[in-house]
Amino acid sequence: DAKTTQPPSMDCAEGRAANLPCNHSTISGNEYVYWYRQIHSQGPQYIIHGLKNNETNEMASLIITEDRKSSTLILPHATLRDTAVYYCIVRVDNYGQNFVFGPGTRLSVLP
Amino acid sequence: DVKVTQSSRYLVKRTGEKVFLECVQDMDHENMFWYRQDPGLGLRLIYFSYDVKMKEKGDIPEGYSVSREKKERFSLILESASTNQTSMYLCASSLKPPLPQHFGDGTRLSIL
Repeated sequence: DAKTTQPPSMDCAEGRAANLPCNHSTISGNEYVYWYRQIHSQGPQYIIHGLKNNETNEMASLIITEDRKSSTLILPHATLRDTAVYYCIVRVDNYGQNFVFGPGTRLSVLP
Repeated sequence: DVKVTQSSRYLVKRTGEKVFLECVQDMDHENMFWYRQDPGLGLRLIYFSYDVKMKEKGDIPEGYSVSREKKERFSLILESASTNQTSMYLCASSLKPPLPQHFGDGTRLSIL
């Protein structure tokens, strides 16, 4: 799986958009980008995933650059409950692989 | 919403005991997974199953076994618990890749 790089921490004001970047410059053509988050003492929560095109769901938007070497997760209106560690994961679409969760980005949403 | 339920949030057992961790999903997913999560090591795959009565080893199967008698239930068994198996255990389920895996809230297991 391609290695990902994320900033260790970010702050965001409540109600504002949170933009979380991820670099994956060695991504290969069959690797998807997944975003998860983990709130303390809970299991990872799936947010969104994509291959090439931008994606949007009820939780967030995922913007993938044209060369696919980086992506941005956007939480459009951050709330205090969005405070968590966010993980960007790049992996192929098959079974039996570890989820390589790096250190992630610790997002703090401030009142 | 997908619901993956792990039977215990916290569990304390003694060295040498046989330990059962249970996981149930309610979304008719074919695939189920057991991971452990340790600080600095991320998530590591122990076993996974892509069908009833089927199982495949992940990266760290030693000391563990699994059982999948019904589609919705996947059990992790520590045959003879040891202190180095103290960890957070996470169960996940999914439809076929690339659809994402959905995780339970985890079982924090302490072996004394």
